[in-house]
Amino acid sequence: EAGVVQSPRYKIIEKKQPVAFWCNPISGHNTLYWYRQNLGQGPELLIRYENEEAVDDSQLPKDRFSAERLKGVDSTLKIQPAELGDSAVYLCASSFLGPANTGELFFGEGSRLTVL
Amino acid sequence: AQTVTQSQPEMSVQEAETVTLSCTYDTSESDYYLFWYKQPPSRQMILVIRQEAYKQQNATENRFSVNFQKAAKSFSLKISDSQLGDAAMYFCAYRSGQGAQKLVFGQGTRLTINP
Repeated sequence: EAGVVQSPRYKIIEKKQPVAFWCNPISGHNTLYWYRQNLGQGPELLIRYENEEAVDDSQLPKDRFSAERLKGVDSTLKIQPAELGDSAVYLCASSFLGPANTGELFFGEGSRLTVL
Repeated sequence: AQTVTQSQPEMSVQEAETVTLSCTYDTSESDYYLFWYKQPPSRQMILVIRQEAYKQQNATENRFSVNFQKAAKSFSLKISDSQLGDAAMYFCAYRSGQGAQKLVFGQGTRLTINP
């Protein structure tokens, strides 16, 4: 079974430039998460989707961040314009929310963003 | 809001020895899940062990076990017979049993295994 796939793995941009990250969750997983992980810190949730609906985006900086999950499968996270403080690893995770929900999230390898 | 605290930024242990990583959490809920995740350098985060709050028995997975103290809101991870491949960042995480399905993570503990 394929895991959560993210791309790109690494991205270096100059401040004020746009950047986008893509995530393909595990097949059949209806819930998708984007987390941001600063260096040496634990991940922090940016947005959570249940199918196509963003059910928790309270921590997403909406002035510059946007996300979408078309058809309830793949998702894209965009930053425009990027700021120096956006340098971090952006993690995508997926899970299956259902009666037998074990609560486990499956993570991708992350997209490491460096803003110069 | 729930919070998770890992008070040990770094730990080290000799290969084949036992090490315990600490985690405390704060919640007013009675139904929840606790997790330990492992994040090797530049690699994806993977689940090590999971504990349901309604279960009194501590979870075990091979060399990994937890000490779940619900009243004290403590959830420590014990790694027995430490191996070089255990070197990683370890994150404790909390998930509500109802409502929000997100994981709330601690700050992490970097574990070094000395050969």
